[in-house]
Amino acid sequence: EVKLVESGGGLVQPGGSLRLSCATSGFTFTDYYMSWVRQPPGKALEWLGFIRNKANGYTTEYSASVKGRFTISRDNSQSILYLQMNTLRAEDSATYYCARDKYYGLDYWGQGTTLTVSS
Amino acid sequence: DIQMTQSPASLSASVGETVTITCRASENIYSYLAWYQQKQGKSPQLLVYNAKTLAEGVPSRFSGSGSGTQFSLKINSLQPEDFGSYYCQHHYGTPPTFGGGTKLEIK
Repeated sequence: EVKLVESGGGLVQPGGSLRLSCATSGFTFTDYYMSWVRQPPGKALEWLGFIRNKANGYTTEYSASVKGRFTISRDNSQSILYLQMNTLRAEDSATYYCARDKYYGLDYWGQGTTLTVSS
Repeated sequence: DIQMTQSPASLSASVGETVTITCRASENIYSYLAWYQQKQGKSPQLLVYNAKTLAEGVPSRFSGSGSGTQFSLKINSLQPEDFGSYYCQHHYGTPPTFGGGTKLEIK
């Protein structure tokens, strides 16, 4: 059974940093691209970025809204995906989802973890 | 970046009705389009990919169509469990942007 479990959310002051984790199981982690998506309260989904699979060198792509502030990485030995978030702003407050990325869509999602950026 | 525009933003319908949600891309994305369903307080779930292929376990009352810049998701004979929000997302290059969503509510 494919499972993705996010953790690490919480309350952070503006300008602060936080790292989210996504523990995965049930599939060969290195075979897949992995994505992060967020959703502010009551708003639409926003793609943040992905990290490619082993065959594509684990390279990354980001949305313009987070490029330079957020970094996606992966621990392939433990099948864990990370999202390092720096210089956080109030508008980064959202539920953050990790998702397994097939070339045609995001086929498995975690339950989400919530970030609140506030003083 | 490719912009995805969904309509309507909200929709009210009754159990048993048929509804259609549309998604328009700002440029040609061929058939690289997915649809997701999100129920209140839950994670999104993949419904349709490659514009018209149902994901595993998705009931046949759902159907996707379109190519190029115009796409639609049709739900026949609405069931109580179908109410929630629906999002389209293109997969033609990066960033793979989502549409603004359609909230389907019970009338």
